[in-house]
Amino acid sequence: QSVLTQPPSVSAAPGQKVTISCSGSSSNIGNKYVSWYQHLPGTAPKLLIYDNNKRPSGIPDRFSGSKSGTSATLGITGLQTGDEADYYCGTWDSSLSAGVFGGGTKLTVL
Amino acid sequence: QVQLQQSGPGLVKPSQTLSLTCAISGDSVSTNSGAWNWIRQSPSRGLEWLGRTHYRSKWYNDYAVSVKSRITINPDTSKNQFSLQLNSVTPEDTAVYYCARGFVDRGMDVWGQGTTVTVSS
Repeated sequence: QSVLTQPPSVSAAPGQKVTISCSGSSSNIGNKYVSWYQHLPGTAPKLLIYDNNKRPSGIPDRFSGSKSGTSATLGITGLQTGDEADYYCGTWDSSLSAGVFGGGTKLTVL
Repeated sequence: QVQLQQSGPGLVKPSQTLSLTCAISGDSVSTNSGAWNWIRQSPSRGLEWLGRTHYRSKWYNDYAVSVKSRITINPDTSKNQFSLQLNSVTPEDTAVYYCARGFVDRGMDVWGQGTTVTVSS
């Protein structure tokens, strides 16, 4: 059971938009930044979003992040088949004094 | 350009110690502004943060509750690398292990290539 809750899967058609939610509590998302990672099989996870809504250099603006209260959201527009991957949110939990990830969301582009 | 190069065995026997090393190029393990993490990934548990080491005038370590009694992360300033030791492993520790630079909340931007570790006799 992960400290952060994500939907197990989401799906949408190519060109469409999808959002992935990440729900936590006041000891983690509520008082900390959130980052998002894309994980393709056989490769290392890639940082997509940091500090809630910032994109590293090279990440297209089709990817966006937001945070409100104890929840965060990753948005992906203009879906491509290459976006099929597992997506994880991550943050720090002050009560645990440890990093935590969501359980991951598998994105299928139909 | 910062790169992390992992090394270590891919097969560990149950009850023994898993040992991995992450060599850093393009940055310093002693940096005052970063942190060095170990994360693992398995189909059953997804991404799991294991722990980190960082230097702020002295060395600090933080560990996940799930492995706190069995894990040690050590920096090696002479070789500019850091290591993971996980004791008393069981088949549940079978996973792909990654090292990474940064902070889970503020972003881990550089990752090692991953090491598949199987715990089996």
